[in-house]
Parts: sequence; structure tokens; C-alpha cells
Amino acid sequence: NAGVTQTPKFRVLKTGQSMTLLCAQDMNHEYMYWYRQDPGMGLRLIHYSVGEGTTAKGEVPDGYNVSRLKKQNFLLGLESAAPSQTSVYFCASSLNRGPQPQHFGDGTRLSIL
Amino acid sequence: AQTVTQSQPEMSVQEAETVTLSCTYDTSENNYYLFWYKQPPSRQMILVIRQEAYKQQNATENRFSVNFQKAAKSFSLKISDSQLGDTAMYFCAFMKPYGGNQFYFGTGTSLTVIP
Repeated sequence: NAGVTQTPKFRVLKTGQSMTLLCAQDMNHEYMYWYRQDPGMGLRLIHYSVGEGTTAKGEVPDGYNVSRLKKQNFLLGLESAAPSQTSVYFCASSLNRGPQPQHFGDGTRLSIL
Repeated sequence: AQTVTQSQPEMSVQEAETVTLSCTYDTSENNYYLFWYKQPPSRQMILVIRQEAYKQQNATENRFSVNFQKAAKSFSLKISDSQLGDTAMYFCAFMKPYGGNQFYFGTGTSLTVIP
């Protein structure tokens, strides 16, 4: 059972380049989330989705875009990468019923030079 | 907006001893849920324990238990009989059960278990 899978695990970009992080879950979860984790700041929500075709902004959405064309996939895009976006990115998913915990992927370490 | 505060950036405990990690939160909600997650050096986020705000009884999971004080908005984690595998970053999280079940995380406490 794969759970939540993030691709890639590591990436180095130059300032101004674009890229897409892929998150895939096989648990049939309705809700999906993208976070960034920076030292001393915990996890901060970038964007989230409550279902296929829907997305919403979280706490720190600027500079990122997302899409949820299929229920199992949630893509995070950086159109023009900036050094401030150097971080570890986590994807998570959960059911939409009750106090369900979020299930996390293993993270993507992204460095912007 | 919800805020979660973990005031202890780093802690250490001797193996087999007990340690308590603190967490406070600020909210105007009455119905919510609280979680503790563990992040070992492998970077995985692992659920440790959860608590429903409407339940007065404190949650317990084996060696892990919480002290939930709703009026004080406090949610501390107690780890009994600490083991080397408990060495990790611990995050407290607040969830409101609507609007996408958003989680709000604290900044974490780095716990080191000393042999």
C-alpha cells in the first residue's frame, strides 16, 4: 500500500525556472494538501483541495499554483522559482469525514539557486 | 485565525524516563481536534495521538498520553518510558472540522532521548 507518493524527492533549480511537484494518493481520499516546512517555522499550508476540480488558498499561497484534475493527484507548480521558495514540501491527504488525521508523503527537498 | 505555540524548541530526556512536551493554541472555535505528529530524521510525518475537543477524557496511545485543558487551551504530550526511537521532532496541530479540515501546526519541539 503506497499511501501518499511525492515526485521528485530532491530537485535543484535555478532562479526563474519552473517546475511541478506531483502528489499521488491511493487511499481514495477527498482532501489533499500542500505544505512547506522551513526551519523554526513548522509546516505551513500552501494550497489545499476538497475534491476533484477544486482548489483553495492556504496560509502562504503566493508564488505557487495547484491543480486537481484527478481525485488521486494534486500538483504543485512554481512558475518562476525564487530562492525564498527553497524548502521541504510535503503533500498530505485525508478523508472528509470526522476527525481524520492527515497522511503525509515523504517530502520533496527543493533548492533554488 | 488559529495559532499553535510550542514554547520548547529543544528538549532531552534520559532513556526510560518521562518527558512532557507543551503546546498551547488560540482559537474562538468550540468544536475542533488536536493532534501530535512525530517527525524522525527520516522526515516522515507520523501520527502519534489525537484528541477531540468535546471529550473531557485525555487520549492515550500506549506510552503516549495527553493532558488536554480546554479552558486553558493547552494540549501537552507525555511520553513515558522514553526509548531511543522516540528521538524526533514533535509537532502539535489544531484542526477545525470544516472548510477542508485545515491543520495549523506549531513550530515543533526537537526531542533527543539520551542512552
